[in-house]
Amino acid sequence: DIQMTQSPSSLSASVGDRVTITCRAGQSVSNYLNWYQQKPGKAPKVLIYAASSLYSGIPSRFRGSGSGTDFTLTISSLQPEDFATYYCQQTYSTPYTFGQGTKVDIK
Amino acid sequence: QVQLQQSGPGLVKPSQTLSLTCTVSGGSISSGNYHWGWIRQPAGKGLEWIGHIYTSGSTNYNPSLKSRVTISADTSNNQFSLKLTSVIAADSAVYYCVRDGYNLGFDAFHIWGQGTVVTVSS
Repeated sequence: DIQMTQSPSSLSASVGDRVTITCRAGQSVSNYLNWYQQKPGKAPKVLIYAASSLYSGIPSRFRGSGSGTDFTLTISSLQPEDFATYYCQQTYSTPYTFGQGTKVDIK
Repeated sequence: QVQLQQSGPGLVKPSQTLSLTCTVSGGSISSGNYHWGWIRQPAGKGLEWIGHIYTSGSTNYNPSLKSRVTISADTSNNQFSLKLTSVIAADSAVYYCVRDGYNLGFDAFHIWGQGTVVTVSS
């Protein structure tokens, strides 16, 4: 299995802050890396696919980058609705695996 | 657009079989090239991919569950199902059915069911 490690596990930020979450794969996953946002009691929703492609309807303040083993999700200006938990996921090989999640809460 | 509606019991006894169904609306499960799958999330924890069934009918399972999992499709009812045998307390989780966007050029799970809370308890 390919292990996915996110950092940090949690962070506190203010509205308007720039937030960066990193995801490291245990081996190269090329660009087969997706990012999801999950709010309490809700199903996750995809933000970024193929490492850097913005999913339809997702605001442009979300940006994904990276390839190989190191990836980054950046929120350029945090909005109130962005407080949530974020997960990376590799689909390079099965079993597909997720990072442990990064919880973004209000400072 | 395609929507997924889950059904199935929320309480399963230990050693019994967990069975969930995902009904697809707004599209056919047998058309296009998609992976129809299941993901679970124990309370307060992260996401675990269980497996998927491809439009062709081929399946792929997480090795950690492979001996206990079956994912099947019922094209006549436009549904796909999850069966997990010999459940234990550690199988308690929210279970989600999902579909990826493979035929659309990406393989992220962009369509999710509403989730079913399953508790394994006697």
